[in-house]
Amino acid sequence: QVQLVESGGALVTPGESLRLSCAASGFTFSDFYMTWIRQAPGKGLEWLSYISGSGSDVFYADSVKGRFSISRDNAKNALYLQMNSLRVEDTALYYCARTARELDSWGQGTLLTVSS
Amino acid sequence: DVVMTQSPLSLPVTLGQPASISCRSSQSLVYSNGNTYLSWFQQRPGQSPRRLIYKVSNRDSGVPDRFSGSGSGTDFTLKISRVEAEDVGVYYCMQGTHLPGTFGQGTKVEI
Repeated sequence: QVQLVESGGALVTPGESLRLSCAASGFTFSDFYMTWIRQAPGKGLEWLSYISGSGSDVFYADSVKGRFSISRDNAKNALYLQMNSLRVEDTALYYCARTARELDSWGQGTLLTVSS
Repeated sequence: DVVMTQSPLSLPVTLGQPASISCRSSQSLVYSNGNTYLSWFQQRPGQSPRRLIYKVSNRDSGVPDRFSGSGSGTDFTLKISRVEAEDVGVYYCMQGTHLPGTFGQGTKVEI
């Protein structure tokens, strides 16, 4: 069955960088677009970024454009989110999900806390 | 970005009774290929979101048939025919037609 496991969340100070990972299994990873979504504590869901199966097509929401970078390693069945210039308002639970338009499977999330 | 507006934001329910959540988009969600990428997600307390419905009215595998989705264009509805205790949580609609995808604010369903 499809399994997505996020990791890399941590407590960081404003301005720092961090890379999140999402390990995928149970499906042909390279066949699918993948998406990152986040949820601030007690808040709703925010769609952040997607990447095509080959990695050639990427898209970012305005809230993270220029600071976050999505990538993937199909040989390792891994999805990444490089986050730079982190802000307090980036504090959230970060999820990876399969596909771009329909988000059919989600991981359990990894928590990023940005605080001084 | 497309704005998704859910109502109500809080929905007190009675076990065994029906419940309904509305979701409206700021523009049509019909994609160029004819599909309408409107999904519904359930997030139980302390859990990740789980997709229930895709392309307006298609139930995901394992989703009880008391859940149904309907609508077209800009107006969509999630219905629960008879609420059970395990249905407590927050429900989100999401459009994937116009990227970036956008979510509704969420509707909290509580007994």
